[in-house]
Amino acid sequence: EAGVAQSPRYKIIEKRQSVAFWCNPISGHATLYWYQQILGQGPKLLIQFQNNGVVDDSQLPKDRFSAERLKGVDSTLKIQPAKLEDSAVYLCASSSDYLYEQYFGPGTRLTVT
Amino acid sequence: SQKIEQNSEALNIQEGKTATLTCNYTNYSPAYLQWYRQDPGRGPVFLLLIRENEKEKRKERLKVTFDTTLKQSLFHITASQPADSATYLCAPTRNQAGTALIFGKGTTLSVSS
Repeated sequence: EAGVAQSPRYKIIEKRQSVAFWCNPISGHATLYWYQQILGQGPKLLIQFQNNGVVDDSQLPKDRFSAERLKGVDSTLKIQPAKLEDSAVYLCASSSDYLYEQYFGPGTRLTVT
Repeated sequence: SQKIEQNSEALNIQEGKTATLTCNYTNYSPAYLQWYRQDPGRGPVFLLLIRENEKEKRKERLKVTFDTTLKQSLFHITASQPADSATYLCAPTRNQAGTALIFGKGTTLSVSS
């Protein structure tokens, strides 16, 4: 079975620019997560989708971050405008149910200069 | 606020020994706890899940214990190998939709031959 796909793998932008990340979860997985992982830290949840509905976005900086999961499959995370502190790895994960193990993609390493 | 602490950021052991990693949590009552492995430049990979009513769980050379009284989980790797070198993350969570995994910072294990 194919794993979680993410693109791009690396992105370098200047502060105040915008950027978008794409995620394709494992086929059939209803739950999709976006995490932010700063160097030396564990992943921090930004948003959780169940099918195409948002279950938890309490830690998403909504003034600059947005995410959508159209048709309950692919998802896009956007940052606009980016700040220096947004430099991190953005991980997408999916699971068949919120109670079960999560499968992570390789992540997108964002550098904001 | 909820807090997760994993013992020493780095653990160095010799091949063949047992590695023991500790995960302590406070202000939290998780219904289950997951352990993940993360290699540099990659997303976390699920290893084991243990529920609050399970005291111990094993998978090949891995063993996890969960003590809800001590608010602690121990993760053991027996007969460790250099290939076990990685960062190990613990993630306790409650048993309800919308409750995200909260990851610890991780413990980086180095196994020398």
